[in-house]
Order: sequence, then C-alpha cells, then structure tokens
Amino acid sequence: EAGVAQSPRYKIIEKRQSVAFWCNPISGHATLYWYQQILGQGPKLLIQFQNNGVVDDSQLPKDRFSAERLKGVDSTLKIQPAKLEDSAVYLCASSPRVQGMAKNIQYFGAGTRLSVL
Amino acid sequence: DAKTTQPNSMESNEEEPVHLPCNHSTISGTDYIHWYRQLPSQGPEYVIHGLTSNVNNRMASLAIAEDRKSSTLILHRATLRDAAVYYCILRDGGGSNYKLTFGKGTLLTVNP
Repeated sequence: EAGVAQSPRYKIIEKRQSVAFWCNPISGHATLYWYQQILGQGPKLLIQFQNNGVVDDSQLPKDRFSAERLKGVDSTLKIQPAKLEDSAVYLCASSPRVQGMAKNIQYFGAGTRLSVL
Repeated sequence: DAKTTQPNSMESNEEEPVHLPCNHSTISGTDYIHWYRQLPSQGPEYVIHGLTSNVNNRMASLAIAEDRKSSTLILHRATLRDAAVYYCILRDGGGSNYKLTFGKGTLLTVNP
C-alpha cells in the first residue's frame, strides 16, 4: 500500500514570504496530523483533523499558520508570513479510525524541510 | 499526557541485543506505552506498543515492569539499519484524541 505522500521535500524561502506544504494520506485513513520538528527535538503536533473537521489545533500559531482538509482526503499547511524560527521539518501523518482504544498507529510521511533565511 | 524519561543516547554493536529503557513513573492505568523510531531523514515509524503484558513483534520486544513505571524496548540483534532516534510515548487509552506527544528520545548508534 502507498504511504503518506508529502511535497515538496525541501523548500527555501526568505522571511516574510509565504509557503505551502501538501500531504496525501494513506487511502481510507480518517485522521490526519501535521507536526513540526525543530532540529534536535521530537515532533510537535500542530493540528489534527478527523475527516475534514479539526480535532486539535491548540498548538498551531494561528496568526501565521493555517491548514485545511477540504474533502477529508489531502491537506495543505500554509505559513504566511514565515519567520526565521519556522525553519523545521514539517511532517504529515495519518491513521485509520480505531474505536475506543489507544492502539491507533500513526503513519508518517518523509516530511518537508523548510529553511527560512 | 504523562511524561517519559529516556537516556539521550546509547551505543551498541552490530548483531548484539540492545535494551532501550524508558521511565514513566506517573503512568496512569489507562495509558498505553508506545514506541516509535525515526531513521535519518525520515518520518517516525511505529515499532510496538503495550499496556501491561510483554509484547513481541517482528521488529522488537517490549518488556513492561510489573508496576508499569518503566519499560524496555529490546532489539534482539541490532543491525546498522536500526540506527535511529527511539521515542517512548504514553497514550491515554481513555481519550478520543489520539495525539502523540514526543520527547527528545534516545539516539541509538550501532557500530559495525
């Protein structure tokens, strides 16, 4: 089965520019996540979608970050305007719907490495 | 989410067993113990999870202490491809938000 697809793999922009990342989850997976991973740290959840609804966006900097999953399938994460501290790897993950138990496995894409100059 | 404590780094030799420890003294009765690993330039991948009993799969074994305040991920024969950052994560089995909260993990180096 195909894995989680992300594009682009790398992106270099200048501060105050805008950037968008795209994610296509594994077919049939209801839940989609965006994580930010700063060098030397573990990934941090930015936003979680269940189908096309937002479950958790408590750590998303909403003044500059936005995300959407319009048809409950693929998703886009946007940063506008970018800051130097946004340099990181942005990871997308998806998981199938599992009722009532914390056995839910997340499948990650390879990520997009963003450098803000 | 309850916190976990892992060593920053560990080193092993190829084809030897590796025991990666994780402390989680504040674990609650409904918390599952999950392990993920992240190979260089890749996203994390699921390794194994458990609740109370020891677990085995094709990748690794998970040994859980009787009081559940610690656990150990066991790689039976390390290979160079096992060099990665290993994350021990607790997930609330009683919740509906399946969030993973990553720490810094343990960087495993495998020597040839």
